[in-house]
Amino acid sequence: QQQVKQSPQSLIVQKGGISIINCAYENTAFDYFPWYQQFPGKGPALLIAIRPDVSEKKEGRFTISFNKSAKQFSLHIMDSQPGDSATYFCAASKPNTPLVFGKGTRLSVIA
Amino acid sequence: EAGVVQSPRYKIIEKKQPVAFWCNPISGHNTLYWYLQNLGQGPELLIRYENEEAVDDSQLPKDRFSAERLKGVDSTLKIQPAELGDSAVYLCASSLGGLEKNIQYFGAGTRLSVL
Repeated sequence: QQQVKQSPQSLIVQKGGISIINCAYENTAFDYFPWYQQFPGKGPALLIAIRPDVSEKKEGRFTISFNKSAKQFSLHIMDSQPGDSATYFCAASKPNTPLVFGKGTRLSVIA
Repeated sequence: EAGVVQSPRYKIIEKKQPVAFWCNPISGHNTLYWYLQNLGQGPELLIRYENEEAVDDSQLPKDRFSAERLKGVDSTLKIQPAELGDSAVYLCASSLGGLEKNIQYFGAGTRLSVL
């Protein structure tokens, strides 16, 4: 059973547009929800993270929206740039447990 | 500050051969993780160490996989014998602990190809 479901699998966005990636989870004990960015040949790198006590967190062009009642969270990339082209993973964890990752979204930003 | 260092970056072996991967975590990070990442998938945990103790190894196929973290710093992951299905990227990550326990820093990974 997949604990974190991520969609879409791939996404193509025009330069300057908004990229939106969604994740849904089942376990209400999860209390930490990060997004990781991975470029080819590199390991995942933490992009932004949120805890369930807030509904939104913004860092630069990246925003996490969190809906606790729906058990969903999403990543929004504003003013998407070609350099944002990468694979994005959502993840979740309970206290003192390792992260559970989604299957990833391959984002392509085209000029 | 150096990040998580893994070696080798690439490894090609024939099936039934043994293989070992090495990881040097960020200095001071007590928690170390080994993940398996198949093509087009997210990382999946194989084993987690708190210092030198393996605290979560339920997903490690113990018939062929083994890991160790001597002195609570560097770690090695071994496969013996390797099978075709083991072809994947093996990622190592580390975290500081305490309030930053969830913040994991990943190495670049070792890409294993089993022929």
